[in-house]
Amino acid sequence: QKEVEQNSGPLSVPEGAIASLNCTYSDRGSQSFFWYRQYSGKSPELIMFIYSNGDKEDGRFTAQLNKASQYVSLLIRDSQPSDSATYLCAATKHRGAGKSTFGDGTTLTVKP
Amino acid sequence: DAGVIQSPRHEVTEMGQEVTLRCKPISGHDYLFWYRQTMMRGLELLIYFNNNVPIDDSGMPEDRFSAKMPNASFSTLKIQPSEPRDSAVYFCASSQIGRQETQYFGPGTRLLVL
Repeated sequence: QKEVEQNSGPLSVPEGAIASLNCTYSDRGSQSFFWYRQYSGKSPELIMFIYSNGDKEDGRFTAQLNKASQYVSLLIRDSQPSDSATYLCAATKHRGAGKSTFGDGTTLTVKP
Repeated sequence: DAGVIQSPRHEVTEMGQEVTLRCKPISGHDYLFWYRQTMMRGLELLIYFNNNVPIDDSGMPEDRFSAKMPNASFSTLKIQPSEPRDSAVYFCASSQIGRQETQYFGPGTRLLVL
């Protein structure tokens, strides 16, 4: 079992819909969780990070963390074609900097 | 700021040759990270530095890999000797103390070992 698992996808949603990306982690000692967006052929870009159980919102993005279920999700509201990318989930055992373990990513396509 | 700078952007070499990848972090950033990304293994952290000191190198695959950070504005990742399985995209990223979570990635170096 990988330490961080994501639905491989691909996930396809129509423009304007809500895209839901899911991630589970196996190490209960994980403290910090990250969502990165990576366009094809480009470098990862941090979208959000979350430490505490519950929801964290930033614009059209909402990260959700449930430590009891070892589950992290990213919701993208009003999806746009420009959101089409691979989304990487990562977990770190420490707050702040540290060794992150990444999932394999979920590829999202938003169709106009 | 110019962002994280990596060189070369592309490298093609033959098995057994030494490869040196270079990174210039964002000025003022205290942390520097080296990652490798392949289709098979995904994105992996190889090593990271804080204030030029290596903190965790547990991701370095084997002795053929070494990384240095002689000063705050420069780091190298060296592979000697290189092997075809080292073919990957190598990313450098940096972040600043107090905002360590936000890592800024460089454009990456695409390495092909023949």
